[in-house]
Amino acid sequence: EDQVTQSPEALRLQEGESSSLNCSYTVSGLRGLFWYRQDPGKGPEFLFTLYSAGEEKEKERLKATLTKKESFLHITAPKPEDSATYLCAVQAATGGQNFVFGPGTRLSVLP
Amino acid sequence: ETGVTQSPTHLIKTRGQQVTLRCSSQSGHNTVSWYQQALGQGPQFIFQYYREEENGRGNFPPRFSGLQFPNYSSELNVNALELDDSALYLCASSRTGKDTGELFFGEGSRLTVL
Repeated sequence: EDQVTQSPEALRLQEGESSSLNCSYTVSGLRGLFWYRQDPGKGPEFLFTLYSAGEEKEKERLKATLTKKESFLHITAPKPEDSATYLCAVQAATGGQNFVFGPGTRLSVLP
Repeated sequence: ETGVTQSPTHLIKTRGQQVTLRCSSQSGHNTVSWYQQALGQGPQFIFQYYREEENGRGNFPPRFSGLQFPNYSSELNVNALELDDSALYLCASSRTGKDTGELFFGEGSRLTVL
């Protein structure tokens, strides 16, 4: 069964304090790994897709990396507006249409 | 480019009732997926529709059903509501059914079952 776990469950940072979020996955062949940002009461907002180990993607203060078993979302010099829940999801290469999501990491960036 | 829109945004039902949630997909997208997100958890896949047919289903009972219309909009119907059905219901659209890329989500419909 495809599974995704994320750590930590919650993370509190001071503005400017860089850190990383972890997404560990087990999947029967990876078609893609996806990162989303979700603000309270809103739908998830797409951030990145990663397809193969060694791949990296960047967007402003965020950088996502991928290995064969996990992905990291690195946040450099975060600002309060980066506060949100960050969700990781995988899609298997076995023909299934569903995305399997992790429980998310709740990030709070304090001014 | 119009994004994914969902209605209603909030609704309250009582146990045993039926509910219909609606979704308009992003322009240019022909595939719609529905997810259930309980408080503090990640979204869980309910089912996907492509070319007006169900194209994959998660571990949800048959009282969860759906439709996709020729304009790619979609409905999620839940019969015989249970207390555990209280959740945020998310609709997501994507470009193709066979090789789904990124999902683009709506704001969700918050269902409370009393």
